[in-house]
Amino acid sequence: TQTVSQSDAHVTVFEGDSVELRCNYSYGGSIYLSWYIQHHGRGLQFLLKYYSGNPVVQGVNGFKAEFSKSDSSFHLRKASVHWSDSAVYFCAVSPSSNMGYKLTFGTGTSLLVDP
Amino acid sequence: EAAVTQSPRSKVAVTGGKVTLSCHQTNNHDYMYWYRQDTGHGLRLIHYSYVADSTEKGDIPDGYKASRPSQENFSLILELASLSQTAVYFCASSSGRSDYTFGSGTRLLVI
Repeated sequence: TQTVSQSDAHVTVFEGDSVELRCNYSYGGSIYLSWYIQHHGRGLQFLLKYYSGNPVVQGVNGFKAEFSKSDSSFHLRKASVHWSDSAVYFCAVSPSSNMGYKLTFGTGTSLLVDP
Repeated sequence: EAAVTQSPRSKVAVTGGKVTLSCHQTNNHDYMYWYRQDTGHGLRLIHYSYVADSTEKGDIPDGYKASRPSQENFSLILELASLSQTAVYFCASSSGRSDYTFGSGTRLLVI
């Protein structure tokens, strides 16, 4: 069984700051890792994903994430945040061999960007 | 534009009553999922389906049934709604090994 941990429930930064949202996972086999964003009152939207290859993955709106097998991590970063980046961010994992490609989500990190 | 549409957007149900949440996708995806979202728990998988006329149990299926009458449609059924089923429910579709497309959610209040 795979698990996902997002250690920070809330992160507050100022507009223009850089930010790192942390995600750690546990699973013994090959997995897909992804990040989703949820604006208030909305559904989740896909940001980026990683399966293999270059451990740094570029996503939309300047977001990127880096996979580390040694740390079992897939942290999300952005160099300069905008107030519109305020949202809840979910890390998710799915075993690559799993029938159904079911995503297991972390509990989310709420990012607040002060203008 | 490909999308996942959920109905209703919100609902108030009486304890012990039957509730049906509907989901329609125009993505031509094989996989569909129902998740519930509760504060502090993220999203948890209730049921999913990878082909019409077949459904599978997710991580928290108790108290829920699912129906996939066609590739495009996937329903979640609460036969006897309970207070503990108050939550926001999300439907999603996927082609497998790809990103999910989520609906906007159904906010269910059981009283």
